[in-house]
Amino acid sequence: AQRVTQPEKLLSVFKGAPVELKCNYSYSGSPELFWYVQYSRQRLQLLLRHISRESIKGFTADLNKGETSFHLKKPFAQEEDSAMYYCALSNQAGTALIFGKGTTLSVSS
Amino acid sequence: GAGVSQSPSNKVTEKGKDVELRCDPISGHTALYWYRQSLGQGLEFLIYFQGNSAPDKSGLPSDRFSAERTGGSVSTLTIQRTQQEDSAVYLCASKSGQASETQYFGPGTRLLVL
Repeated sequence: AQRVTQPEKLLSVFKGAPVELKCNYSYSGSPELFWYVQYSRQRLQLLLRHISRESIKGFTADLNKGETSFHLKKPFAQEEDSAMYYCALSNQAGTALIFGKGTTLSVSS
Repeated sequence: GAGVSQSPSNKVTEKGKDVELRCDPISGHTALYWYRQSLGQGLEFLIYFQGNSAPDKSGLPSDRFSAERTGGSVSTLTIQRTQQEDSAVYLCASKSGQASETQYFGPGTRLLVL
């Protein structure tokens, strides 16, 4: 079955601390994975996708097929990073995204 | 350009009533999706439209839920005989026909069933 698991509902860190938001997936074949972010009172938007292998707002995510993980990392968290983060997997038909339940990141000073 | 828009932004209804939620995708986007965002459940896929193809309805939770897309553009999600557990934020997303393209999300309709 295709599934995305985000084990943490809430992650609280201090400004300047490293952040790692965990994501594990279940999928047969080559997965296409994404991180979406929803800031307060804003719409859901794409943060990054694994095929782009880019860094957005200081965040990176590496696909680890051995561990079936796609953890989101940032070396130094900022208060403006506080948001809900969703890990998502494109289904095999390519017709929809399968989302995890999300992790709320709270960065305080 | 204009993004995905949804209306109404908020809807309060009584249990048992029918509701219609509207989505206007980005102009030219052939793919349209509906998702439901519930507290503690994350985002659940509901239905997918691609051009003139038959929609993928595999995510609809019950036969009280239906959706249509007229003229390949605007879409309406209808929930009949609403139940309290239908309370959620309903999100619409669209993307161009290219498989690798990003989905762009609307602001959502917050539905509360009393």
